[in-house]
Amino acid sequence: AQKITQTQPGMFVQEKEAVTLDCTYDTSDPSYGLFWYKQPSSGEMIFLIYQGSYDQQNATEGRYSLNFQKARKSANLVISASQLGDSAMYFCAMGRLTGTASKLTFGTGTRLQVTL
Amino acid sequence: NAGVTQTPKFRVLKTGQSMTLLCAQDMNHEYMYWYRQDPGMGLRLIHYSVGEGTTAKGEVPDGYNVSRLKKQNFLLGLESAAPSQTSVYFCASSYSTSGDSTDTQYFGPGTRLTVL
Repeated sequence: AQKITQTQPGMFVQEKEAVTLDCTYDTSDPSYGLFWYKQPSSGEMIFLIYQGSYDQQNATEGRYSLNFQKARKSANLVISASQLGDSAMYFCAMGRLTGTASKLTFGTGTRLQVTL
Repeated sequence: NAGVTQTPKFRVLKTGQSMTLLCAQDMNHEYMYWYRQDPGMGLRLIHYSVGEGTTAKGEVPDGYNVSRLKKQNFLLGLESAAPSQTSVYFCASSYSTSGDSTDTQYFGPGTRLTVL
């Protein structure tokens, strides 16, 4: 069984600062994918970034980067130069890689509040 | 492209009533999913489909049925609604044989269902 743990229910960060949202995972699958989604107050789920378990380099997408430490089973999201629009819930999720339907397992989320 | 759309956006039911939620995607994705999101929790998988005419149970399938008669549509049915099914329902799709190999799931805007 797969499990995702997000230990930070809420985080505050000042505008223009960087912030790290923690995510640890547990799985017995040899290959898997890790995902981060953003859920603003409007409710939609927005895909941010993906990391494959065999990827040698950490994934980056604009201001988002994923700090992947396989031995520690962690996949932390780093947001650089925070903006007011980054205020939202952030969910970490994992699933198997292609070949089968990737049934995502989600964490409970971290609410990020960006302040002036 | 509209991506993933869901109908309706909001619905209020009385206990025992039935209803169908419709999900449509225009990305030619093979896989489709239904999740529910409850307060303080991440998303949990209800049912999923790996192709037209196929469906499978997820983590919390009881009280729901699904059908995938066309590749682009995935229907979620509640035969006899219960207050415990009050939730926000998300549809997602993933995996195009000619596109993204990461199996990233793209979500619809959600349906807020209240069962009285």
